[in-house]
Amino acid sequence: AQTVTQSQPEMSVQEAETVTLSCTYDTSESDYYLFWYKQPPSRQMILVIRQEAYKQQNATENRFSVNFQKAAKSFSLKISDSQLGDAAMYFCAYRSYSGAGSYQLTFGKGTKLSVIP
Amino acid sequence: DTAVSQTPKYLVTQMGNDKSIKCEQNLGHDTMYWYKQDSKKFLKIMFSYNNKELIINETVPNRFSPKSPDKAHLNLHINSLELGDSAVYFCASSQDRFSGGPSETQYFGPGTRLLVL
Repeated sequence: AQTVTQSQPEMSVQEAETVTLSCTYDTSESDYYLFWYKQPPSRQMILVIRQEAYKQQNATENRFSVNFQKAAKSFSLKISDSQLGDAAMYFCAYRSYSGAGSYQLTFGKGTKLSVIP
Repeated sequence: DTAVSQTPKYLVTQMGNDKSIKCEQNLGHDTMYWYKQDSKKFLKIMFSYNNKELIINETVPNRFSPKSPDKAHLNLHINSLELGDSAVYFCASSQDRFSGGPSETQYFGPGTRLLVL
């Protein structure tokens, strides 16, 4: 079974600075997807960024980028120019096939990010 | 337009009662999911449902049963509610692998906060 580990329960960053959230995972598969989801106090789960394992190029979405190290099974999220609205729980997730055409997400325990004005 | 919607947003009930949470998606997706987020924010898959095939997480008690009247809806029925069922329940959807290629992203509803007294 796949496992996802986020070793930082809480982190803080000064507004406009850069912060990196770490995530490691365990899998025997060679092709898979990884995601970062953001959950603000509103509770909504919002997709931040996704990475396909067969793509060597790190994914980027505006101020958000990942450092994907397949051999090390590491998938960290970098947030540049942090904004107050970035304050949220961030979840790393691994997508695996669960059968009958369905995929399930295995989540890490989350990192609570605070942004200091 | 809301892509994945859930009703109700909040549900407070007594132990032993039976309740349902509704989920609807207007994305045309073929696969729907239910996740549970506990008090420590940990998210875990409960069910995935695709083309009338149900994949159940073996740790889910049989008091929980998903019901899908059509492809756009996956409702969650809970019988004989217990205190430990208090959590936030998220519905999600994605496109399955047999319908023109998989969509790697699961889109989440806003969540239903269930409190069992």
